[in-house]
Amino acid sequence: EDQVTQSPEALRLQEGESSSLNCSYTVSGLRGLFWYRQDPGKGPEFLFTLYSAGEEKEKERLKATLTKKESFLHITAPKPEDSATYLCAVQANTGGFKTIFGAGTRLFVKA
Amino acid sequence: EAQVTQNPRYLITVTGKKLTVTCSQNMNHEYMSWYRQDPGLGLRQIYYSMNVEVTDKGDVPEGYKVSRKEKRNFPLILESPSPNQTSLYFCASSVRQAGSGELFFGEGSRLTVL
Repeated sequence: EDQVTQSPEALRLQEGESSSLNCSYTVSGLRGLFWYRQDPGKGPEFLFTLYSAGEEKEKERLKATLTKKESFLHITAPKPEDSATYLCAVQANTGGFKTIFGAGTRLFVKA
Repeated sequence: EAQVTQNPRYLITVTGKKLTVTCSQNMNHEYMSWYRQDPGLGLRQIYYSMNVEVTDKGDVPEGYKVSRKEKRNFPLILESPSPNQTSLYFCASSVRQAGSGELFFGEGSRLTVL
């Protein structure tokens, strides 16, 4: 069964304190892995798509990496405005075009 | 402005009273999908549509219906709502049929079934 597990559930950082969020996945064949940001009361906002192991994408203070079993979202020198829930999702290349999301990591960055 | 619009944003209803949540996108996207979001469970896909008149089940389709008669609209229908369908619902669309590109999400519809 295709599955996505994110850790930790919540992460509290001081401003400037770099860290990483983890997304472990199990799929029969990976079509794509996605990262989204979700602010309270809002719909998720797309950040990155990764297609194959070894691929990396960067956007401002965020960098996403992918291996055959997991993805990391690295946050460098976070600011309070980076506080949000970060969602990981995968789409398998078998069994239709279902997209499976993890439960998310809630990030709190304190000034 | 490119957007996905859901209505209503908030709804309180009673068990068994049929309701429809509308979803419309103005980006000419082929792919549209519905999700529900519950605490601790994350986003779970209900139904998706690859194009007009093409729909398929996601992981939690029981109790829901959808239709795709026009490219821009993808309504979610609850024929006989029950309290376990109380949730936050999101509609999303994507330019790529496989949905492997960027998903654009609506603002969400919070549904309470009493």
